[in-house]
Amino acid sequence: AQSVAQPEDQVNVAEGNPLTVKCTYSVSGNPYLFWYVQYPNRGLQFLLKYITGDNLVKGSYGFEAEFNKSQTSFHLKKPSALVSDSALYFCAVRTLGFQKLVFGTGTRLLVSP
Amino acid sequence: GAVVSQHPSRVICKSGTSVKIECRSLDFQATTMFWYRQFPKKSLMLMATSNEGSKATYEQGVEKDKFLINHASLTLSTLTVTSAHPEDSSFYICSAKPSGGNTGELFFGEGSRLTVL
Repeated sequence: AQSVAQPEDQVNVAEGNPLTVKCTYSVSGNPYLFWYVQYPNRGLQFLLKYITGDNLVKGSYGFEAEFNKSQTSFHLKKPSALVSDSALYFCAVRTLGFQKLVFGTGTRLLVSP
Repeated sequence: GAVVSQHPSRVICKSGTSVKIECRSLDFQATTMFWYRQFPKKSLMLMATSNEGSKATYEQGVEKDKFLINHASLTLSTLTVTSAHPEDSSFYICSAKPSGGNTGELFFGEGSRLTVL
């Protein structure tokens, strides 16, 4: 069975500081990994994905994520946080041939001025 | 980029009535769409997988007679909440998977806030 864990309910960071939002996964087979962001009362917006290739994936709004197969992790990172990055972040995983995306419980990111 | 339109964004209805929510892929075809429900504590619950031209596949614990899903075309799926009750109040989000290819991300609608009085 596929599963995703986001161990932090909330992450607080000061503007200008680097941020990391953690995600670990469990799948049978090669994972396809995704990060989405949700602003209040809005749908989810795609940030980035890892399918294959370079372990460091760059996405929208300056975000990046590193795929670590040995640690089964896919942490989201940004070198310098902005107040406007404050939102709810979801990690998700699926495998080839399995259509459903399995989401983590979400991590609320709060960037203070 | 791929756009998914969801309508209405907000709806208030009386208990016992039915409400229909539409999910449209505007610039791509979607053989498969997914319906989620988001609870106040933020977690997303997959309700069902909607397949064009066939019956939806419901997740365990989701009442198919209460949450009717129709996927009549490659660009439209609808969710009808029948005989709505206050406990059905929630944020419902649809997503669409572009036809063809098997590695791509899902594209999400903006969500529909349902309030049942």
